[in-house]
Amino acid sequence: EPEVTQTPSHQVTQMGQEVILHCVPISNHLYFYWYRQILGQKVEFLVSFYNNEISEKSEIFDDQFSVERPDGSNFTLKIRSTKLEDSAMYFCASMGSGRTGELFFGEGSRLTVL
Amino acid sequence: SQQGEEDPQALSIQEGENATMNCSYKTSINNLQWYRQNSGRGLVHLILIRSNEREKHSGRLRVTLDTSKKSSSLLITASRAADTASYFCATDGRGGSNYKLTFGKGTLLTVNP
Repeated sequence: EPEVTQTPSHQVTQMGQEVILHCVPISNHLYFYWYRQILGQKVEFLVSFYNNEISEKSEIFDDQFSVERPDGSNFTLKIRSTKLEDSAMYFCASMGSGRTGELFFGEGSRLTVL
Repeated sequence: SQQGEEDPQALSIQEGENATMNCSYKTSINNLQWYRQNSGRGLVHLILIRSNEREKHSGRLRVTLDTSKKSSSLLITASRAADTASYFCATDGRGGSNYKLTFGKGTLLTVNP
């Protein structure tokens, strides 16, 4: 069964360092998302991406965050200068062209900022 | 505003019993979805119910939606130990075009063998 793949599964970084989280969405999907979940809290929307551009972003997604789809398969989330409060599980998700509303999530990348 | 608030926050039952979780939301929606998350894992889509539907079934899952009360319930029948997980409702707000989901805090279900 097709799945969304995320790497790394866990990354530890020092405050102020840049981090790139990688995602390979399901191959024929067109809508891509990043969500995050701080430990013990809600899953929060960060950004949606369609047709090679950001379609919507939350207030969490400030200038320190960026997304790219550098080729036909990868979808990356970059955090330029990490803060302690960026520590969270980051989930990538994708949705097919049928726009059913069902999102397919990856297993997540756990980011720990020290 | 808070959207997608589940209750109870935690539910512990015996294997074979039914588990009912509720979700309330505040704004108009296109659809409401339920997701499951095993500890430390990703979110798995369980079922989607559209705003013009009142009830939907999928295997041992039954979801209801009452748009007048802005609430939904998820019933898992004949629960198994493997159903132990957190369950989240997520709403897709009416008027949105990006299928941005707003998640609740979740219900932690423990099914004791």
